[in-house]
Parts: sequence; C-alpha cells; structure tokens
Amino acid sequence: KAGVTQTPRYLIKTRGQQVTLSCSPISGHRSVSWYQQTPGQGLQFLFEYFSETQRNKGNFPGRFSGRQFSNSRSEMNVSTLELGDSALYLCASSLEGFAEAFFGQGTRLTVV
Amino acid sequence: KQEVTQIPAALSVPEGENLVLNCSFTDSAIYNLQWFRQDPGKGLTSLLLIQSSQREQTSGRLNASLDKSSGRSTLYIAASQPGDSATYLCAVGKTSYDKVIFGPGTSLSVIP
Repeated sequence: KAGVTQTPRYLIKTRGQQVTLSCSPISGHRSVSWYQQTPGQGLQFLFEYFSETQRNKGNFPGRFSGRQFSNSRSEMNVSTLELGDSALYLCASSLEGFAEAFFGQGTRLTVV
Repeated sequence: KQEVTQIPAALSVPEGENLVLNCSFTDSAIYNLQWFRQDPGKGLTSLLLIQSSQREQTSGRLNASLDKSSGRSTLYIAASQPGDSATYLCAVGKTSYDKVIFGPGTSLSVIP
C-alpha cells in the first residue's frame, strides 16, 4: 500500500513569494495534519483536516493556510514568505485524527 | 498549556546495551501518546501508539509504558543495534484532533 506522498521534496523561494505544498495521504485515510520542523522550534503543529474541514489550527500567522479536497489530498499554502519560514514541512495521514499517524518524507523549503 | 519534554537530549551507547528514553508531559488529560523515530532529513516513522487507557505497548525489541497520573512515558529499547541510531520523539494530543504537541526528541547513537 502506498505511503504518504509529499511534493515537491525540495523548494527554494525568495522572500515575499508564496508557495504551495501538496500531500497525498494513504488511501482510505481521511485525516491529514501538517507540521513545521525547524532546528530551533522542533516539530510544531500547523493544522489538521478531516473530510475537507479544518478541525484545529496551531499558533501560526494567517499567512499559513491549507485545504483538503474530496479525495483527502491536502495542500498547504504560505504567502509572503519570510526567511524564518525555511523549514521541513511534514504531513501525516491517519484514519481518524491523532490515531496512528503515518508521515511523508517532507518538503524542505528554503527561503532566500 | 501542554508541554512535553524528553530526557536525555542525546545518548550514545555501545551496541547491545538496553536503554530507556523518557518523555514527560504536564497535562495528564491526553488522548494517546505516540513514539516516533526520525532519521536525518527524513519523515517520522511511528513506533508505538499507547491509548490513554493502556499502560504499555510492545513491538519487537521496543516497549513503551505510560503513566498518565505522573505524566510520564518511557521507551525501552532492548539489545540496541547501530541501525537504531536516530532521533526519537514522543507526541501527545488532548483529543483525536487536538493540537499535537511533540517533545524535542532524544538523539540516539549506537556505537558498533
């Protein structure tokens, strides 16, 4: 069974640009969560989607947004990129919320 | 506000040793607790999931225990191997879709 797929794996963007990251969950999983990982802050929860609805959101500015489609695929968007947004962005899928979570390999975003 | 800590931050042991990693959390009202492993630059791999009503879970050489009243979980690794070298993280959430809080991780190095 295919795992969680995140695209692209690597991205380099310039300050002020916007970026969209994609996550395809394991087939049958309806919950997708997004996390930001940085050396200084560790892993931080961004948001969780279930059946196209955002159920919870972490403490991130409104520049960070997401959505989930009817096939459970999810996208995360960051607008007006800042240098501090450079991080590994991970998504995880599960059958239901914080059940056993399966993570993708992540998207490494570098903002220059 | 839930806070999760992990001790030690780093650990280096010779191959074959048994070892214990610790995870502490401040709010005992958790939905479940998960232990993950992360290899450098990669996503997270779920190791063990302990439901809030359980005391422990075992998988192969791994055993995780949970004591909600004291806000502690331990991950026991038996007969460590060089392939166990990675960062180990624990994570908790208050409900199935609550903001998931990760600990900072323990970096484990098993020396051949």
